[in-house]
Amino acid sequence: ETGVTQTPRHLVMGMTNKKSLKCEQHLGHNAMYWYKQSAKKPLELMFVYNFKEQTENNSVPSRFSPECPNSSHLFLHLHTLQPEDSALYLCASSLTSGVYNEQFFGPGTRLTVL
Amino acid sequence: AQSVTQLGSHVSVSEGALVLLRCNYSSSVPPYLFWYVQYPNQGLQLLLKYTTGATLVKGINGFEAEFKKSETSFHLTKPSAHMSDAAEYFCAVSGSNYQLIWGAGTKLIIKP
Repeated sequence: ETGVTQTPRHLVMGMTNKKSLKCEQHLGHNAMYWYKQSAKKPLELMFVYNFKEQTENNSVPSRFSPECPNSSHLFLHLHTLQPEDSALYLCASSLTSGVYNEQFFGPGTRLTVL
Repeated sequence: AQSVTQLGSHVSVSEGALVLLRCNYSSSVPPYLFWYVQYPNQGLQLLLKYTTGATLVKGINGFEAEFKKSETSFHLTKPSAHMSDAAEYFCAVSGSNYQLIWGAGTKLIIKP
């Protein structure tokens, strides 16, 4: 595997389910990000981890819970989601969280909440 | 506060024609500016970036962008469009909190 991988690629869940999104980067980077991408809206940064420490949480509802066990893996735990949470969730990584560093993106998980 | 405006959610050009995607930004500090491209069913990848120095920046796949401070613009151009350029393009500016502020994206459609 190379680059940034995300699993699953598609997920359908009910509002009472609990599920997790997984991201793995094979680039030796130290920063990882979760973004939400909705149609016709700017990318919304959700969480940033730098050297496994969470450095940003952009007022994300508590039904989204990130976990970063090491610099290569990032999870997004989901519970009691709402239909408006349906979107493409993108994971990205960069050398460090400095804004001048290129971010490398995974292909995303398409989430549908029924 | 920083912001990014991409004019036109969809831009359609003929194959071989000039591509011009517009990006205007607001920033209270000297900005870093970026263009990313997203092909269908893929994540975003960096096309080019401006940090300091030369204001005309060349990127991958024949794209370039010019930083114009007086116009607060960073428009993306390519002299001759290819069918393979069909994708969504995102402009981003560095925020004061060291995060990227993203535009809403412009979908480029190439007509044969």
